[in-house]
Amino acid sequence: QKEVEQNSGPLSVPEGAIASLNCTYSDRVSQSFFWYRQYSGKSPELIMSIYSNGDKEDGRFTAQLNKASQYVSLLIRDSQPSDSATYLCAVPPFSGGYNKLIFGAGTRLAVHP
Amino acid sequence: GAGVSQSPRYKVAKRGQDVALRCDPISGHVSLFWYQQALGQGPEFLTYFQNEAQLDKSGLPSDRFFAERPEGSVSTLKIQRTQQEDSAVYLCASSSTGGAGGYTFGSGTRLTVV
Repeated sequence: QKEVEQNSGPLSVPEGAIASLNCTYSDRVSQSFFWYRQYSGKSPELIMSIYSNGDKEDGRFTAQLNKASQYVSLLIRDSQPSDSATYLCAVPPFSGGYNKLIFGAGTRLAVHP
Repeated sequence: GAGVSQSPRYKVAKRGQDVALRCDPISGHVSLFWYQQALGQGPEFLTYFQNEAQLDKSGLPSDRFFAERPEGSVSTLKIQRTQQEDSAVYLCASSSTGGAGGYTFGSGTRLTVV
């Protein structure tokens, strides 16, 4: 099993809908989780971080963490065409260490008008 | 500077040629990271510096890859005797917190080995 797994997509949603992106990880002691957005030909951009079980909301974005089930998700409400990008989930490989991140391969999101 | 600056943006190298990729992190950021991103994949960790000390180089794929940050600011990733499998985007990131709050990535260097 890969350390961080994501469905490669593409996930296609209509404009205005909720996009749900999921990520599972294998390291049971991971304590922090990050979502990055990467537009085609651009570098990854940090959009959300979450450290505790439950939900964390930031504007149209909500990150959800369930450590018992080892998954983290990202919800995008009122999806816009400008949200079309690849979303990368990233997890440190061990508890308390941030000096490297393990990235998933990313889920490509396409929001169509 | 305002962001992480990488140069060159694009590099085409003939197989066997040596290349040097430069990263200028955000001013004051003590932590600097190099990642490699192949097409359609997520970034893969190469190496990590805290100031001038290279604390983790476990991701460097072979002894052809070498990174340095001699004065704790600008870093250079050097690849000797490039091979076609080295073709990728090389991303540099910096952080003021060792990465605890996530990284700020530079725009990357796209290396193509022909």
